Amino acid sequence: DQQVKQNSPSLSVQEGRISILNCDYTNSMFDYFLWYKKYPAEGPTFLISISSIKDKNEDGRFTVFLNKSAKHLSLHIVPSQPGDSAVYFCAASRAELNDMRFGAGTRLTVKP
Amino acid sequence: ETGVTQSPTHLIKTRGQQVTLRCSSQSGHNTVSWYQQALGQGPQFIFQYYREEENGRGNFPPRFSGLQFPNYSSELNVNALELDDSALYLCASSLGPEVDTQYFGPGTRLTVL
Repeated sequence: DQQVKQNSPSLSVQEGRISILNCDYTNSMFDYFLWYKKYPAEGPTFLISISSIKDKNEDGRFTVFLNKSAKHLSLHIVPSQPGDSAVYFCAASRAELNDMRFGAGTRLTVKP
Repeated sequence: ETGVTQSPTHLIKTRGQQVTLRCSSQSGHNTVSWYQQALGQGPQFIFQYYREEENGRGNFPPRFSGLQFPNYSSELNVNALELDDSALYLCASSLGPEVDTQYFGPGTRLTVL
C-alpha cells in the first residue's frame, strides 16, 4: 500500500530559480512529515520537517508547506543551487508508531 | 563524531540462503531503525530497536529479524532469502525513537540470485 506518493520521478530547474517538489498522502492519521535528500552512494539526509498542527515551516532556502485538507505537502527551494541536485524523499509518520512511510523520490537536477 | 556505518557494502547471495547485515550507530545513539529500499522505490520500514528491545515493526515476515547490542550496534538477519529481497538495506540511528533525528548509513546492496 503506497500511502505516500511522489508522482514526479524527476524535475529539472535552472540555477537561481525555485524548485517545487510535491508529495501526496492518503492516510489522514499521519501527523508528522519530513523531507530527506539523498546523494548517490550515501544514505538519506534529513532536510526539514513539519508537524500536522502547522501549515508552513521554513529553514533558510527550504520551506515545506502542508495542506491537510488536500493531503498534500510541497518542498520549495529558493534559490536553487547545483549542489541541491539529488533525490528528494517525502516521508510521513504517526507519532505513536515507529513506522515512517516514504515516497518513491523525485530526482532534482539544478542546471548552472 | 563518527557517522553511521554499515557492512558489507555489497553482498551477493543465492535463494534460500541466510544473510546478516551490520550497522554501527552514531556515537551516543540508542535507537536503530532498518529500512529496505527496492529499486525505484522509497525506503520501507522493517523494524526499530530501542535500548536493545524491538520497538516497532513494519509489514515484513518473521524471517526478517534483528538484534541490537549493548553498544547499540545492530544486525539485520534475513533467512530463506527470496529473489524479491534484492534491495538496498539502510539503517538509521537516532538519540531516541523520534523520527526527525535519524541519521542514515550508506546502505548495504544485497543481490539475491
